[in-house]
Amino acid sequence: GAVVSQHPSRVICKSGTSVKIECRSLDFQATTMFWYRQFPKQSLMLMATSNEGSKATYEQGVEKDKFLINHASLTLSTLTVTSAHPEDSSFYICSARDVLGVETQYFGPGTRLLVL
Amino acid sequence: AQKVTQAQTEISVVEKEDVTLDCVYETRDTTYYLFWYKQPPSGELVFLIRRNSFDEQNEISGRYSWNFQKSTSSFNFTITASQVVDSAVYFCALWNTGNQFYFGTGTSLTVIP
Repeated sequence: GAVVSQHPSRVICKSGTSVKIECRSLDFQATTMFWYRQFPKQSLMLMATSNEGSKATYEQGVEKDKFLINHASLTLSTLTVTSAHPEDSSFYICSARDVLGVETQYFGPGTRLLVL
Repeated sequence: AQKVTQAQTEISVVEKEDVTLDCVYETRDTTYYLFWYKQPPSGELVFLIRRNSFDEQNEISGRYSWNFQKSTSSFNFTITASQVVDSAVYFCALWNTGNQFYFGTGTSLTVIP
């Protein structure tokens, strides 16, 4: 089946630094990728929708200047958490929709971010 | 509006008991998809099943079974003869013809040996 990878799987950083998370579709092309955030014991919340070659669409309450999304190719989207703070510590999960329009999304394994 | 409700926040069962996880959804779309995912402590979402809105057939896969009832907008998940390895958080989700997944709040299942 389709595979989505994320890198890194875990990251610890100091407050004020920026962290980049990569999301790759390994065996299919994804015109659309999605970024979710999950706080402990909570559900996944959609942060933004990333479209290849265009600007991302952010959900209400998500700061676009803080969470920079780049979808430069059909197989790669990146999420950069700029000037990270402890409250940004969370589990970030990406998903990708097959360009062929298969009616599903494939989820990556997630990235645990801890900001000290 | 789309919404998925998992009323059971936490469930504990003793090993070998059967357990049913409830999922109720709301949507105005006629075409949609329902999913169940398992999230073990590692965090990775494990896909369990996808069902489209036109297929109300119940499905069984090993110890897992799903009951889709459009009349009550429910998509319940039953684990028979539960095992310790079934301990995880289970999410029900709705995906409409747009792009967004709507996740329920999850049910944390603990299977006690």
